[in-house]
Amino acid sequence: NAGVTQTPKFQVLKTGQSMTLQCAQDMNHEYMSWYRQDPGMGLRLIHYSVGAGITDQGEVPNGYNVSRSTTEDFPLRLLSAAPSQTSVYFCASSYSSGESARTQYFGPGTRLLVL
Amino acid sequence: AQSVSQHNHHVILSEAASLELGCNYSYGGTVNLFWYVQYPGQHLQLLLKYFSGDPLVKGIKGFEAEFIKSKFSFNLRKPSVQWSDTAEYFCAVYNFNKFYFGSGTKLNVKP
Repeated sequence: NAGVTQTPKFQVLKTGQSMTLQCAQDMNHEYMSWYRQDPGMGLRLIHYSVGAGITDQGEVPNGYNVSRSTTEDFPLRLLSAAPSQTSVYFCASSYSSGESARTQYFGPGTRLLVL
Repeated sequence: AQSVSQHNHHVILSEAASLELGCNYSYGGTVNLFWYVQYPGQHLQLLLKYFSGDPLVKGIKGFEAEFIKSKFSFNLRKPSVQWSDTAEYFCAVYNFNKFYFGSGTKLNVKP
């Protein structure tokens, strides 16, 4: 089991560029989510998905897009990068039901710097 | 929307001291409660969780937490900390398909 994998580990973008952060899990989890972690602010939910084909907005969705075409993958797209999107991004996944429900497994994170 | 408050931003303790980290949340309905830990350079990992039942829950590495519904609190405790507990601790609340995290508490344990 690879768990939750994220690529890239580190990325530098210029303002206005777009990019996709990749996230994959091999645990057959229904629920997947994206967070950004900023100093002193903890983790804030960007978008989440309760299953393939179903996505919804979290607390801070502006400037980001997601899709979930398969159970395994949940990419996060930055449409037009801004310096305010400089952050560490974490992907997480969990079961939606059962004993392990909502125990999230986190990826290693992607550090994004927008100049 | 739900909000989660962790009032201690940075805690410094000596080894063997007792630990209590506060966590309060705003929504009074049915919630699931979690504590996560992030060791330096590592992923976030689950320490413990509360869904229902006994309000005193035990987690990994000797941690426990108490759910007090009337106070909207879920405080984390450990009777005797070790240097290896140096990490950042996050309280989280789940309701209506969303997770809400507190701002985190950095714990520094001096050997």
